[in-house]
Amino acid sequence: EPEVTQTPSHQVTQMGQEVILRCVPISNHLYFYWYRQILGQKVEFLVSFYNNEISEKSEIFDDQFSVERPDGSNFTLKIRSTKLEDSAMYFCASSGNGYTFGSGTRLTVV
Amino acid sequence: GQQVMQIPQYQHVQEGEDFTTYCNSSTTLSNIQWYKQRPGGHPVFLIQLVKSGEVKKQKRLTFQFGEAKKNSSLHITATQTTDVGTYFCAGRTGTASKLTFGTGTRLQVTL
Repeated sequence: EPEVTQTPSHQVTQMGQEVILRCVPISNHLYFYWYRQILGQKVEFLVSFYNNEISEKSEIFDDQFSVERPDGSNFTLKIRSTKLEDSAMYFCASSGNGYTFGSGTRLTVV
Repeated sequence: GQQVMQIPQYQHVQEGEDFTTYCNSSTTLSNIQWYKQRPGGHPVFLIQLVKSGEVKKQKRLTFQFGEAKKNSSLHITATQTTDVGTYFCAGRTGTASKLTFGTGTRLQVTL
């Protein structure tokens, strides 16, 4: 069964550093997403991406965040200057008829 | 903004007992999806409901979408230890692609 692949599985970074989270969505899916989940809480929408541009974003997705599809397969989330409160599990997802989530990147900001 | 609440937050049942989680949206939904997340895992898609009043079954799981398309439920008959996890509903409004996740119900099943 097709999978959404995320790397790395765990990233530890110092506050103020830039991080890039990487995702390979399912190849024939058209919509790509980033969600995050703070430990023990619900899954929160960050951004959706369609046709090489952002189609929707939440209030969480401020100027510190950006997304890119640098080539035909990768989809990245960049956080420019990480804060302690950015510590969370970040899930990439893609959708065709249904959503498929990747197994996530656990980001720890220290 | 749109809010999606689930009750209960947590339920502990003995294996063989039934379980239900209820999902309520502050706004009318175009469709609703249900996900299961095992501890330490990622959300796994279970089902999507689109029509008002729709009922779908998957083995021991029964999903229902309310007539007003603002609420939904998931019922598990005769729970098993493999049902352990957090169950999230997630709704879409209009033509938006994003999902708004509910607050989740954590299910614990013991022998």
